[in-house]
Amino acid sequence: EAQVTQNPRYLITVTGKKLTVTCSQNMNHEYMSWYRQDPGLGLRQIYYSMNVEVTDKGDVPEGYKVSRKEKRNFPLILESPSPNQTSLYFCASSFQGNYGYTFGSGTRLTVV
Amino acid sequence: AQSVAQPEDQVNVAEGNPLTVKCTYSVSGNPYLFWYVQYPNRGLQFLLKYITGDNLVKGSYGFEAEFNKSQTSFHLKKPSALVSDSALYFCAVRDSVRDNYGQNFVFGPGTRLSVLP
Repeated sequence: EAQVTQNPRYLITVTGKKLTVTCSQNMNHEYMSWYRQDPGLGLRQIYYSMNVEVTDKGDVPEGYKVSRKEKRNFPLILESPSPNQTSLYFCASSFQGNYGYTFGSGTRLTVV
Repeated sequence: AQSVAQPEDQVNVAEGNPLTVKCTYSVSGNPYLFWYVQYPNRGLQFLLKYITGDNLVKGSYGFEAEFNKSQTSFHLKKPSALVSDSALYFCAVRDSVRDNYGQNFVFGPGTRLSVLP
């Protein structure tokens, strides 16, 4: 089944403790992206990637890192999480061009 | 840079009545327009898209959307609403003009649709 898989689905952590949210797609998509969803703000793009080793900042990149060492994987790294990063995170992937994104099921992160 | 507006936070409609969820956009090139739906505790699901051609686009679950270039709008419609259509709806735009790596995909803030029995 074609899908984007994120892990974990739920995560509660403490301020300053490094964490990684994994994302993997099995559709050979070139483009991958991370979004955060907050009430009243919709989805805001954190980082995106056009292909292996090619990444760029989205609208809200502060406090996040990404890497794209393999085409299928696009992990999101929070080096020192803070409470304002408590949010619902989505990974998405697509082919290049006029295609829409396929989304993962989301990761609900709480930083205390 | 491209942008998307969804002027209504909430739309309420009675079951069986037609529904419209509004979306307007701004891009520098030609727009690729999308509608997604999000059910509680779920990811976003693709409904339909406009790339080129016929201005009326048909999608999943009986939804359709009309592209209006002069009004820069892409409103989502359904002739007869179901209670099960109640969800959060997002309009999104992708600009055909590449900017840097050019694949920024911008979402509107979302409109919560409530279909009342």
